[in-house]
Amino acid sequence: NAGVMQNPRHLVRRRGQEARLRCSPMKGHSHVYWYRQLPEEGLKFMVYLQKENIIDESGMPKERFSAEFPKEGPSILRIQQVVRGDSAAYFCASSPIQTDTIYFGEGSWLTVV
Amino acid sequence: RKEVEQDPGPFNVPEGATVAFNCTYSNSASQSFFWYRQDCRKEPKLLMSVYSSGNEDGRFTAQLNRASQYISLLIRDSKLSDSATYLCVVNFGNEKLTFGTGTRLTIIP
Repeated sequence: NAGVMQNPRHLVRRRGQEARLRCSPMKGHSHVYWYRQLPEEGLKFMVYLQKENIIDESGMPKERFSAEFPKEGPSILRIQQVVRGDSAAYFCASSPIQTDTIYFGEGSWLTVV
Repeated sequence: RKEVEQDPGPFNVPEGATVAFNCTYSNSASQSFFWYRQDCRKEPKLLMSVYSSGNEDGRFTAQLNRASQYISLLIRDSKLSDSATYLCVVNFGNEKLTFGTGTRLTIIP
């Protein structure tokens, strides 16, 4: 049973470009969480989604960031017009139900140059 | 005040020693508590849940003090492989986990 799969693992973007990060949850999991970890900082919650629904996006920056989890396919975190401050590790986690036990993917490292 | 606070360390501890970390949280209504471990440039992995009665898993013991709003992790007979960042995690009952910034531990041969 494959774990949470994230891709790309590493992404380099120039300022002003768009970044798309994908997350395929574990099989049977319909709950997805995105966290961001800035260098030398802790993980910060961004958004919690279920299939086709955003449940909690209180951690998402108001502009340039969006997330979706369509009925078919992976969850996508989209960052438009990236800036240097967006450079971070973005971790996705999934769970089968709304629960404390979540399983993390290996992360996507975004570098904005 | 941060919702979950930890001493960032670093803690440099000789192999075989015992080391303890504390973590404080801000909301007395918090529901559940965990310790995660994160290796450099890796994802966080659940180390153990923390219960009011305390729990032990091999060399690791976790304690919860609701009255004082803190959580502790004790590592006995530390191994080189214990070197990592230890994250204190709290569920405040709002459908998401809140992470502390982590305590960095290095075990010295």
